[in-house]
Amino acid sequence: VVMSQSPLSLPVTLGQPASISCRSSQWLVYSDGNTFLNWFHQRPGQSPRRLIYQVSNRDSGVPDRFSGSGSGTDFTLTISRVEAEDVGVYYCVQGTHLPFTFGQGTKLEI
Amino acid sequence: DVQLVESGGALVQPGGSLRLSCAASGFTFSPHWMNWVRQAPGKGLEWVAYINPDGSEKSYVDSVRGRFTISRDNAKNSLYLQMNGLRAEDTALYYCVRTPRLFDSWGQGTLVTVSS
Repeated sequence: VVMSQSPLSLPVTLGQPASISCRSSQWLVYSDGNTFLNWFHQRPGQSPRRLIYQVSNRDSGVPDRFSGSGSGTDFTLTISRVEAEDVGVYYCVQGTHLPFTFGQGTKLEI
Repeated sequence: DVQLVESGGALVQPGGSLRLSCAASGFTFSPHWMNWVRQAPGKGLEWVAYINPDGSEKSYVDSVRGRFTISRDNAKNSLYLQMNGLRAEDTALYYCVRTPRLFDSWGQGTLVTVSS
């Protein structure tokens, strides 16, 4: 399954919204009915941190300005108001079909 | 808190072997499926392998199948990756990651460099 993110580079203004698209080459609904599409944030020199799991569930401690949406093959990560700490690279990953595959990453910069 | 600490990364010549380890703490290791994920320098993320709780089910990305072996020791709360026939394209930071499909917790990674 090919995961295609856009844009690959995202210049944003502090306090403004931002969104990242992730499209899969196959339907991501698993046989149990779950959709294993997750979003991660990676700061330079750090490990990825999961923000959103199964399309729209926000992880504990993740600010509510982050939200995930979508279904089937089209998914979106939205930041309602960008803050300085949000810089870094964002990845989507599908865990439905083997081999599990990541998007190319979207670099968010202020 | 969940802690995953990788070790074993090193500089190795092409064709060489290396065994990576991941020490898990802060949670009950034995019921959890586990993964290895890698990231080449300056590049994106690539899932490498997963293993089920008792080690009876494993899966690999095509590029490592037949060369890498994932294993675990639940008594030692440890995950392993035996890497044989290493190639330059295996150069990467290797992460130990909990829970295939969800990737909920990540270690800090251990660096493997394959070069002559």
